[in-house]
Amino acid sequence: AQSVTQLDSHVSVSEGTPVLLRCNYSSSYSPSLFWYVQHPNKGLQLLLKYTSAATLVKGINGFEAEFKKSETSFHLTKPSAHMSDAAEYFCVVRGDSSASKIIFGSGTRLSIRP
Amino acid sequence: DTGVSQDPRHKITKRGQNVTFRCDPISEHNRLYWYRQTLGQGPEFLTYFQNEAQLEKSRLLSDRFSAERPKGSFSTLEIQRTEQGDSAMYLCASSFPPSGSGVNEQFFGPGTRLTVL
Repeated sequence: AQSVTQLDSHVSVSEGTPVLLRCNYSSSYSPSLFWYVQHPNKGLQLLLKYTSAATLVKGINGFEAEFKKSETSFHLTKPSAHMSDAAEYFCVVRGDSSASKIIFGSGTRLSIRP
Repeated sequence: DTGVSQDPRHKITKRGQNVTFRCDPISEHNRLYWYRQTLGQGPEFLTYFQNEAQLEKSRLLSDRFSAERPKGSFSTLEIQRTEQGDSAMYLCASSFPPSGSGVNEQFFGPGTRLTVL
């Protein structure tokens, strides 16, 4: 069985400071992991994905995530937050090729203070 | 715009009425997915199609829900005898079938927000 836990429902950072959004997962299989971003009134957009290649994954808009099997984590980071990063972020785990095994976390709302 | 489109964007209905939503995927994509997202939660998988074949359905998809993709292009999701608990955002996504890595990106539409009074 798969599950995903986003450890913070809301994160607030100042513009220009680092961002850390935490995600822990569990999976019976070697998982694929994703981060999606959802801006208000817009569709979910893929930020990055891990599919058993390099453990450090670089995505769009300066985001990156590191797959740590020993910690079952896939935290999302960005060195310097921008006002346009304010959005809802979802960590997603997919344990096998079955579409029904795509599990979204409950989301982390990122706020950016000027 | 060649992204995934959904219609309508908002729907308000009274309890007991039927509603139908439409999704137009990216034209080259043969996989189409439906999700439901309630307030404060992540999307939950409902069903998916490969071409016109409905290959998987979630237990969330009660017998009041039906989805079709008759020609392997657009899809419709119908909810019969709506209940207040059906109020949610209904999301559609499309993708190519899995590549060698086993996973392909899903592209999401903007969603249809359903409010059942």
